[in-house]
Amino acid sequence: ETGVTQTPRHLVMGMTNKKSLKCEQHLGHNAMYWYKQSAKKPLELMFVYSLEERVENNSVPSRFSPECPNSSHLFLHLHTLQPEDSALYLCASSQDAQAGWGEDTQYFGPGTRLTVL
Amino acid sequence: QKEVEQNSGPLSVPEGAIASLNCTYSDRVSQSFFWYRQYSGKSPELIMSIYSNGDKEDGRFTAQLNKASQYVSLLIRDSQPSDSATYLCAVNMSGDTGRRALTFGSGTRLQVQP
Repeated sequence: ETGVTQTPRHLVMGMTNKKSLKCEQHLGHNAMYWYKQSAKKPLELMFVYSLEERVENNSVPSRFSPECPNSSHLFLHLHTLQPEDSALYLCASSQDAQAGWGEDTQYFGPGTRLTVL
Repeated sequence: QKEVEQNSGPLSVPEGAIASLNCTYSDRVSQSFFWYRQYSGKSPELIMSIYSNGDKEDGRFTAQLNKASQYVSLLIRDSQPSDSATYLCAVNMSGDTGRRALTFGSGTRLQVQP
């Protein structure tokens, strides 16, 4: 495997289900990101893990819960989602040159297309 | 509110023409700027990064940066139908996470007519 991989590629779930999205990066990077992309909206940064520090967008609902067990793996745990959470969820990674700076080039995985019924 | 603005398009150009994509940003202290290409249903793919004022060329692509005007653009020479995609401008700035991170524009859809 090369680059950034994500599984599953497609997911359909009911509002009462619990599921997890997985991301793995093979680039030796030290920062990983979750983004949400809804139709006709800009990419929305949800969570960042950089140099073992977790940073989150305060507007992200608590039904989304990230986990980063090491610098190569990132999970997004989903529970009691709403239909408006249907979107493309993208994982990205980068090499942060300095703690607190997320400006380095980010490389994206293929995404998980999530549909909430 | 820190923002990155792009014209949503679609921008339609004939094959072989130059496509010009523009982006403005609100954070004066931003230092890193990126252009991504995103095909429908796919994830963003990095095309170019630029950090200094002026032009940066890579093959058919030229990125132009003017920090004083808070403006970054992407020129695509000899446009091909395969260039038809949405082009995302990304700028590092302080965002909702409280740290500097990439903020993306909503993208410009480019259509290259054969």
